[in-house]
Amino acid sequence: GQQVMQIPQYQHVQEGEDFTTYCNSSTTLSNIQWYKQRPGGHPVFLIQLVKSGEVKKQKRLTFQFGEAKKNSSLHITATQTTDVGTYFCAGRGGSARQLTFGSGTQLTVLP
Amino acid sequence: EAQVTQNPRYLITVTGKKLTVTCSQNMNHEYMSWYRQDPGLGLRQIYYSMNVEVTDKGDVPEGYKVSRKEKRNFPLILESPSPNQTSLYFCASRGTSGSALRPGELFFGEGSRLTVL
Repeated sequence: GQQVMQIPQYQHVQEGEDFTTYCNSSTTLSNIQWYKQRPGGHPVFLIQLVKSGEVKKQKRLTFQFGEAKKNSSLHITATQTTDVGTYFCAGRGGSARQLTFGSGTQLTVLP
Repeated sequence: EAQVTQNPRYLITVTGKKLTVTCSQNMNHEYMSWYRQDPGLGLRQIYYSMNVEVTDKGDVPEGYKVSRKEKRNFPLILESPSPNQTSLYFCASRGTSGSALRPGELFFGEGSRLTVL
């Protein structure tokens, strides 16, 4: 079945440093979504990418979808304490009708 | 307010005692799904429903049942819970047409933390 790997599992950064999480799929994806889960909270949708090579920005967050549509990344510039949480990618592709979630990257921002 | 509501939020039970986790959404969404979240494993899909009376297995359906008799409700049933079903459970919903601004967005409930002793 479809697998979506996400690295790193944990990341500690000093406030103001940048952060990147990477997502890789075993199959070509039709789209990929990103979610953020605050500690003790539920996943909240951030964005969906559909096109090969697509880049989208939301303030300090930059999302990329690879040219081959098998990988994606989320980059946060100048992290803030409000960025703390776990970031999940979720991809749909191949014969899979459902989203497959990555294992998540837990971000800690040290003040 | 658009929301997905799960109950109970927390539950401690014993092996073999049947329980139901309810999920209700007020957004008239066709699609609903259940996930379990375990450390290091992310969110794994248990069951999903494309519409009323249409349900299908996800990646980890063993030990669970669901029903979709009404559009707004999608209960998760554990007929005979076992300790390996101790987990954090999330219900989610999505409209099939989606939003032009946020296409494909899954709306998650607050989560139900289940402990089976």
